[in-house]
Amino acid sequence: GAGVSQTPSNKVTEKGKYVELRCDPISGHTALYWYRQSLGQGPEFLIYFQGTGAADDSGLPNDRFFAVRPEGSVSTLKIQRTERGDSAVYLCASSLSDRINEQFFGPGTRLTVL
Amino acid sequence: SQQGEEDPQALSIQEGENATMNCSYKTSINNLQWYRQNSGRGLVHLILIRSNEREKHSGRLRVTLDTSKKSSSLLITASRAADTASYFCATVGSGSRLTFGEGTQLTVNP
Repeated sequence: GAGVSQTPSNKVTEKGKYVELRCDPISGHTALYWYRQSLGQGPEFLIYFQGTGAADDSGLPNDRFFAVRPEGSVSTLKIQRTERGDSAVYLCASSLSDRINEQFFGPGTRLTVL
Repeated sequence: SQQGEEDPQALSIQEGENATMNCSYKTSINNLQWYRQNSGRGLVHLILIRSNEREKHSGRLRVTLDTSKKSSSLLITASRAADTASYFCATVGSGSRLTFGEGTQLTVNP
């Protein structure tokens, strides 16, 4: 079966631009998570969805970051007015539900802000 | 913010040897998980141990948990070159988010 997929795999943008990162979770997984990983560090939590609603968005660093999951499947992480400090690998994960903690991760999107 | 701290930061061993990695955390947990990350396969879940468990095995992996010391260890026995990767512990508290440590870079030399 297909795992979690993320597109694009790489994104290079200029400071101040808007970017969208997409995540396709494993079919049937109701919980979806976004993390951000900087070089040499562990992933840091950003936001998670249970179904269509954001159950916990306390990890979003500021209001330039926003995520949606309108139909409870695909999710998009949106970053406005990108800054160089946003450069990182953005990881998406899904799990059967938020009560089942094993999370399956996608390959990530490497975002580089020039 | 990172909660866990892995120790050591880097470990280099010969194939066939055992590798032990440690993780400490700060707050109360529901469970603790170990993940492996390498460039070929991304971040992969290895094992989950609940707060009321003390030890768990899965193949060549053995995980221990000491909630009184807020620490866990991951033992990989009879290591192989393919075990070369970064290993992260991650805790789950009252919510569902994973809080990762900084990771241990394991190199297994053939």
